[in-house]
Amino acid sequence: AQSVTQPDIHITVSEGASLELRCNYSYGATPYLFWYVQSPGQGLQLLLKYFSGDTLVQGIKGFEAEFKRSQSSFNLRKPSVHWSDAAEYFCGSSSNTGKLIFGQGTTLQVKP
Amino acid sequence: GAVVSQHPSWVICKSGTSVKIECRSLDFQATTMFWYRQFPKQSLMLMATSNEGSKATYEQGVEKDKFLINHASLTLSTLTVTSAHPEDSSFYICSALDPNQPQHFGDGTRLSIL
Repeated sequence: AQSVTQPDIHITVSEGASLELRCNYSYGATPYLFWYVQSPGQGLQLLLKYFSGDTLVQGIKGFEAEFKRSQSSFNLRKPSVHWSDAAEYFCGSSSNTGKLIFGQGTTLQVKP
Repeated sequence: GAVVSQHPSWVICKSGTSVKIECRSLDFQATTMFWYRQFPKQSLMLMATSNEGSKATYEQGVEKDKFLINHASLTLSTLTVTSAHPEDSSFYICSALDPNQPQHFGDGTRLSIL
């Protein structure tokens, strides 16, 4: 069955420090992979997506993610975190039907 | 700008009331839309897949008679929470599937049942 795991429930980083949020997926074929960000009380904004091709994907707001098939991972990275990046981050996986399964989410807190 | 509009953004109503939430795709035709439910500090749980012109497909454990879904046009899906009770209070989010993927999400509806 299709599933997504985000091992880190809560992460705190200092402003300006680098960030990596982990995501592991379980799916028979190559899935479509996404990272979304959610601010409190709001909907989801797409940061980036991976369908095929180059395994290093660039997204908005300076985020990138790397698809590693051997590790079934799609970790999100940012070289320098800004205070405005504090939010909830969701990794998602979908099949060609479009049905999207989310991980548990990771709360990012940014220290000044 | 937003490509999916969800309305209302917040609703408070008495127990026993039925509440309708609308989800519109603004820039594209969406034959498929999805409805999610999110409890505080939790992830989004898929409730159902809304297909234009046909019956919705509900996930296991979701009461189809409680959560009525109608997808009458290529740009509009509605979720009606029938005879709502306090345990139905939650954050409901819709999404529309772009033909080229991915899903575009609405801003959510916070439903509070008194």
